[in-house]
Amino acid sequence: DAGITQSPRHKVTETGTPVTLRCHQTENHRYMYWYRQDPGHGLRLIHYSYGVKDTDKGEVSDGYSVSRSKTEDFLLTLESATSSQTSVYFCAISDLTGTLNTGELFFGEGSRLTVL
Amino acid sequence: QKEVEQNSGPLSVPEGAIASLNCTYSDRVSQSFFWYRQYSGKSPELIMSIYSNGDKEDGRFTAQLNKASQYVSLLIRDSQPSDSATYLCAVNSNPGGGADGLTFGKGTHLIIQP
Repeated sequence: DAGITQSPRHKVTETGTPVTLRCHQTENHRYMYWYRQDPGHGLRLIHYSYGVKDTDKGEVSDGYSVSRSKTEDFLLTLESATSSQTSVYFCAISDLTGTLNTGELFFGEGSRLTVL
Repeated sequence: QKEVEQNSGPLSVPEGAIASLNCTYSDRVSQSFFWYRQYSGKSPELIMSIYSNGDKEDGRFTAQLNKASQYVSLLIRDSQPSDSATYLCAVNSNPGGGADGLTFGKGTHLIIQP
């Protein structure tokens, strides 16, 4: 299994509070991703990182920010959580080395966030 | 907008039969195609990848790709109750590969009836 750890695994918070989810990898992969998964919507990309301090927006980035100060850690922050951000959040990593460069992703265990 | 479409199901298949899961994608330049299995409450797990037209077999799983029709399928032979899960089709639409992630379908819920 890919060495990906997400924390916290479960969190309940109130509307308006800040929340930070952490993804830690031991694979030394360059690329890291945050997805959210909701019934009826599937997995949607929030933000991704292609190196330390290099990040870009995904499909559903509004209300989220990310930071990557070390190769192994990718943080997702909700500055002011809203009920619409209640979801399961998955971190994923990708190697993307070699000539094939296929982009396959390996996922962490997920973080279930409930915003009341 | 890149789109990946799957029938949400549930798809119910008797134990021992062949389960057939289908996926279509909108971006013609897509290069890499993946099938993930996700058990309830768990994270997606990569089970098959395919990059060229035709069939690719791995154990009881066969992935099929037809780029002209923009169609990907997954066949599961000798279906077992443990195959009951949601199957996600995912596509990398970046020419030559790429780093900006995969586009996922919403998944097909498969139920294998003992």
